[in-house]
Amino acid sequence: DAMVIQNPRYQVTQFGKPVTLSCSQTLNHNVMYWYQQKSSQAPKLLFHYYDKDFNNEADTPDNFQSRRPNTSFCFLDIRSPGLGDAAMYLCATSVHGGQNTEAFFGQGTRLTVV
Amino acid sequence: RKEVEQDPGPFNVPEGATVAFNCTYSNSASQSFFWYRQDCRKEPKLLMSVYSSGNEDGRFTAQLNRASQYISLLIRDSKLSDSATYLCVSKGYSTLTFGKGTMLLVSP
Repeated sequence: DAMVIQNPRYQVTQFGKPVTLSCSQTLNHNVMYWYQQKSSQAPKLLFHYYDKDFNNEADTPDNFQSRRPNTSFCFLDIRSPGLGDAAMYLCATSVHGGQNTEAFFGQGTRLTVV
Repeated sequence: RKEVEQDPGPFNVPEGATVAFNCTYSNSASQSFFWYRQDCRKEPKLLMSVYSSGNEDGRFTAQLNRASQYISLLIRDSKLSDSATYLCVSKGYSTLTFGKGTMLLVSP
């Protein structure tokens, strides 16, 4: 059974039209991450939550926002998508701290901006 | 300097070959290290964790050298199904940093 679930798998949105991607987890992990991955590039961390504490990466554009209403759910909001925001968006979870605590990924949402 | 660096490849090898990837990291505070495998247009999946003493899982061997700040992955007896991108990952207390990945292509 999938432990990190992202919806939808594929999302097409219009230029400038707000879009929300969702992620849910059944692992009860306290850390949740959002990554952006463009073709042939490494996943780039946008932000992460440690419980309810939000940690934004310095170079994440203001256009990207996130919400974590509870342990299980986390949302990525793109307020005004541009063509350059087309990418795979990956949600991941892990346990805070500890040695060798790997991250578990959802299947990703592939965003197309038209 | 990038935090996690890998040779992007591609590494083209025949079936049955042994291939090794290296990865260097710059953050000496990194606590844990992993190798993930990513197939085209799919999410990364954990291949193995990397322990200081080195660890082996079937045809795969991972090693960590903290003094030199590098991690290695050795794949023996390559299979066609090993063709993928291999991502080196360092983990701090709660952050994960990915390398760009090394592409492996195994041919018949």
